[in-house]
Amino acid sequence: QKEVEQDPGPLSVPEGAIVSLNCTYSNSAFQYFMWYRQYSRKGPELLMYTYSSGNKEDGRFTAQVDKSSKYISLFIRDSQPSDSATYLCAMNSGGYQKVTFGTGTKLQVIP
Amino acid sequence: EAGVAQSPRYKIIEKRQSVAFWCNPISGHATLYWYQQILGQGPKLLIQFQNNGVVDDSQLPKDRFSAERLKGVDSTLKIQPAKLEDSAVYLCASSLVRGGEWVYGYTFGSGTRLTVV
Repeated sequence: QKEVEQDPGPLSVPEGAIVSLNCTYSNSAFQYFMWYRQYSRKGPELLMYTYSSGNKEDGRFTAQVDKSSKYISLFIRDSQPSDSATYLCAMNSGGYQKVTFGTGTKLQVIP
Repeated sequence: EAGVAQSPRYKIIEKRQSVAFWCNPISGHATLYWYQQILGQGPKLLIQFQNNGVVDDSQLPKDRFSAERLKGVDSTLKIQPAKLEDSAVYLCASSLVRGGEWVYGYTFGSGTRLTVV
């Protein structure tokens, strides 16, 4: 079993839709959770990070962590064609510990 | 601030040849990482440096991969000899420590796309 599981998609939605991206994990030591966006032929770009359980909002993006279920989500409201990219979840147990990435979910927002 | 610089952007080599990648992190970022991203997969950590010391190289195939970070700034990752399965994007990232605390979130470079034929 992989430490971090993420549905690879692809996920195709119409412009303006609410998008839900999810990851599950098995390591209960994970405390820091991150979401990266990766455009084709580019390096991953940090979107959001959260510590422990709860919600964090930044513009159209909301990150949600449920440590009891070992489940994290990223919601994108009013999705735009420019949101079309691969979204990677990432997490670690803190400090200088190794960050483990999911495989990424490819999202396409259709105009 | 300037981003993480990597070169070359693309490289095609034959198996058993050697190749080297270069990374210049964001100024002041003490921690530098090399990741391997195979098509359709998430990045996998190869090696992590803190200044010029190695923090984690547990997933670096040391029989063929080597990395150094001279003077705690630029870094070079080398593969010798290359295998077909080394075809991937090699990403460099750096992060900042402030007040003894890690400021979360890596900044990645655009990567070097390696094709081994």
